[in-house]
Amino acid sequence: DAGVIQSPRHEVTEMGQEVTLRCKPISGHDYLFWYRQTMMRGLELLIYFNNNVPIDDSGMPEDRFSAKMPNASFSTLKIQPSEPRDSAVYFCASSPGDFTFFGPGTRLTVL
Amino acid sequence: AQKVTQAQTEISVVEKEDVTLDCVYETRDTTYYLFWYKQPPSGELVFLIRRNSFDEQNEISGRYSWNFQKSTSSFNFTITASQVVDSAVYFCALSGPLIRRLTFGEGTQLTVNP
Repeated sequence: DAGVIQSPRHEVTEMGQEVTLRCKPISGHDYLFWYRQTMMRGLELLIYFNNNVPIDDSGMPEDRFSAKMPNASFSTLKIQPSEPRDSAVYFCASSPGDFTFFGPGTRLTVL
Repeated sequence: AQKVTQAQTEISVVEKEDVTLDCVYETRDTTYYLFWYKQPPSGELVFLIRRNSFDEQNEISGRYSWNFQKSTSSFNFTITASQVVDSAVYFCALSGPLIRRLTFGEGTQLTVNP
């Protein structure tokens, strides 16, 4: 299996622009997670899905952030409008229920 | 609420030294899981180990070993005969009984010098 796939790997954008991060989980995994890593806050869970349904979005920082999972093989995390403080590494992860496997991350820089 | 504390922000050792990374956790769950992940300079998160709260047996995998002590709420990680390739940030993490959300510690930056 190719593992969790994220795209793009790097994104540089200007404040106010819309940013969309993409994730393809490992086939057969029922759970999908979006984590964010920053120097100030470390690794924190933003949202997770079970069978494509959002279960816990309490970590989503504000309404500018939204996540979708239209099918079992694809999820997006969208930031609109983006702000410099959104600069971070965003990890997508998937799990069959016992082990969590992380993607390589998307490094987002908002200028 | 769950909490993981890795008090050591940075550790620097010379190659072949043994090094122990500390992890202390807090949880109200009676069943829970503890994890260690490695984040090398390339940035990915690499799974190292998972333990459940009912299994306090220490585990050894090559140069890596883990000491789980429920009495002190600690899950420490020891690298024996460290190597330069062990240089990375190491994260300890905790989840509840259903292993859904992971609560991570702040991470320990380990630098192994030649």
